[in-house]
Amino acid sequence: GNSVTQMEGPVTLSEEAFLTINCTYTATGYPSLFWYVQYPGEGLQLLLKATKADDKGSNKGFEATYRKETTSFHLEKGSVQVSDSAVYFCALSNPYSSASKIIFGSGTRLSIRP
Amino acid sequence: GAVVSQHPSWVICKSGTSVKIECRSLDFQATTMFWYRQFPKQSLMLMATSNEGSKATYEQGVEKDKFLINHASLTLSTLTVTSAHPEDSSFYICSARVAGAEKLFFGSGTQLSVL
Repeated sequence: GNSVTQMEGPVTLSEEAFLTINCTYTATGYPSLFWYVQYPGEGLQLLLKATKADDKGSNKGFEATYRKETTSFHLEKGSVQVSDSAVYFCALSNPYSSASKIIFGSGTRLSIRP
Repeated sequence: GAVVSQHPSWVICKSGTSVKIECRSLDFQATTMFWYRQFPKQSLMLMATSNEGSKATYEQGVEKDKFLINHASLTLSTLTVTSAHPEDSSFYICSARVAGAEKLFFGSGTQLSVL
């Protein structure tokens, strides 16, 4: 079946540090991959996405590359800020299933120290 | 961007009571709403899909008589946890989608604790 595994948190970094949050997936066919972010007190919101192999999604300084050979979609940012503190969810949507069924990872809480 | 309001954000109740969670799309009409549940350190799991004016479709293993979903209007869906028990304690989150669009908009979630 389809599943998403992401690195367990919490992750605590100092401001301007380099960030990587690992995400790997299992799916049939060619899923679309997403990173969602949930800031304190708010709903999940789409951060970036990639719909095919070797695509790179990017937004707000974050990047993730769809790697089919390693079934990964790791989230990276070169220099994190305190405002990046949030919970990050990796997710996939399989076009061979209903488009509504987005499968999420367990989330990774990120805290950035000033 | 579109806003989905979920209420309450947290609730504590006694075992055996029922709890209602509301999910409202504030500035758009949501033809489809989704309800998820997340246990600590586990993934968000889709519980059910509700389309306005029709019965909800439940995922395998989700008891429809225990988790009552009503989607009576294009801006409101409710999830009622009936006769709640401690094992129902979880984080519940809704999302909404406009007809013909793939993008989902999420509520901020409800933390339910059943004593």
